[in-house]
Amino acid sequence: AQSVTQPDIHITVSEGASLELRCNYSYGATPYLFWYVQSPGQGLQLLLKYFSGDTLVQGIKGFEAEFKRSQSSFNLRKPSVHWSDAAEYFCAVGLFSGTYKYIFGTGTRLKVLA
Amino acid sequence: GAGVSQSPSNKVTEKGKDVELRCDPISGHTALYWYRQRLGQGLEFLIYFQGNSAPDKSGLPSDRFSAERTGESVSTLTIQRTQQEDSAVYLCASSDLAGGYNEQFFGPGTRLTVL
Repeated sequence: AQSVTQPDIHITVSEGASLELRCNYSYGATPYLFWYVQSPGQGLQLLLKYFSGDTLVQGIKGFEAEFKRSQSSFNLRKPSVHWSDAAEYFCAVGLFSGTYKYIFGTGTRLKVLA
Repeated sequence: GAGVSQSPSNKVTEKGKDVELRCDPISGHTALYWYRQRLGQGLEFLIYFQGNSAPDKSGLPSDRFSAERTGESVSTLTIQRTQQEDSAVYLCASSDLAGGYNEQFFGPGTRLTVL
């Protein structure tokens, strides 16, 4: 069955430190891959997405993600975290199984220390 | 409006009562999704509408849940005989084209509490 795994439920980093959030998926082909951010009191916002081409994808707010087919991973990174990045991050896959569906991971909650 | 709106923002109800949640998608968006987000969990797909096609109801957890959409406009999610396990945030999203690569635009959600 298709699934998305975000192994880290909570991550705490200091402001200015680098960040990597992990995402692994299970699917027979390369799905569409997404990262969304959910800030407190706000709706989910798309950070970046990937389907084909360059495996390193740039997104908004200084985020990037790298697709690794061999590892079925799509990890999100940021070189220097800002306090405003504190939020919950969701990895998702878009696939076609009769109709178009999105499967979301359980999310990683990021805390940023001043 | 500029984005997806949902109403009410909060709903508290008693077990056994029916509730109706509303979603106004972005104008012109043909696809509309409903998700459920339980505390500390990811988004659980409920139902998908695409234009005038039959909706994909495969994610609805029981027959107490139903949803309607009139054309490419407002959608309502109805939960009958609510149970405490229905307590969650219900999110609506829309996108302008069918297809798994299109960005979904999310509303702020309706927080449902069943006492």
